[in-house]
Amino acid sequence: TQLLEQSPQFLSIQEGENLTVYCNSSSVFSSLQWYRQEPGEGPVLLVTVVTGGEVKKLKRLTFQFGDARKDSSLHITAAQPGDTGLYLCAGAGGSNYKLTFGKGTLLTVNP
Amino acid sequence: DADVTQTPRNRITKTGKRIMLECSQTKGHDRMYWYRQDPGLGLRLIYYSFDVKDINKGEISDGYSVSRQAQAKFSLSLESAIPNQTALYFCATSDSVRGGEKLFFGSGTQLSVL
Repeated sequence: TQLLEQSPQFLSIQEGENLTVYCNSSSVFSSLQWYRQEPGEGPVLLVTVVTGGEVKKLKRLTFQFGDARKDSSLHITAAQPGDTGLYLCAGAGGSNYKLTFGKGTLLTVNP
Repeated sequence: DADVTQTPRNRITKTGKRIMLECSQTKGHDRMYWYRQDPGLGLRLIYYSFDVKDINKGEISDGYSVSRQAQAKFSLSLESAIPNQTALYFCATSDSVRGGEKLFFGSGTQLSVL
């Protein structure tokens, strides 16, 4: 069974601060996805990273896939209250349709 | 209108009752999924379907059944609900992209079993 560990589990910061959340595994994934879930809604896909070492940017969000494709990070610059939500990573193994989800990082950005 | 619609949004039921959660989609995707989300446990796959005649168990299928009535409809049933099935349930569809499936989730059904 492939497991994804996310850290920290909870993060509360002030508007304007930077933060990084992590997604780690002992397994190799063919790709890794990051989702954001807001209260009362389903998760929404932010990005998919495929190549080891790949870096993708989405406005103030920077996603990196580890060289060995076992881990990933999400860095947010100058966090805003609108960034508040549950951030989930999900890895695709040999069968790409069966994603393994991490337990999530609950981020609160205070005004 | 939402692309993936789940009904009901909230449901309270009693132990032993049979209930059905429904999902419909307008995205035209062939693949549909049911997940449950529990605090501290993340999202876990219950069942998935790649087309109308295809049904597959996920990692936690015991106590659940599904029906794919049409390409756009995928329902989840709890034959005899028990309290530990209290959870937030999500339906999702997917579009195959490079590196895996891109999942589109509904807004969820909060189920409470008393």
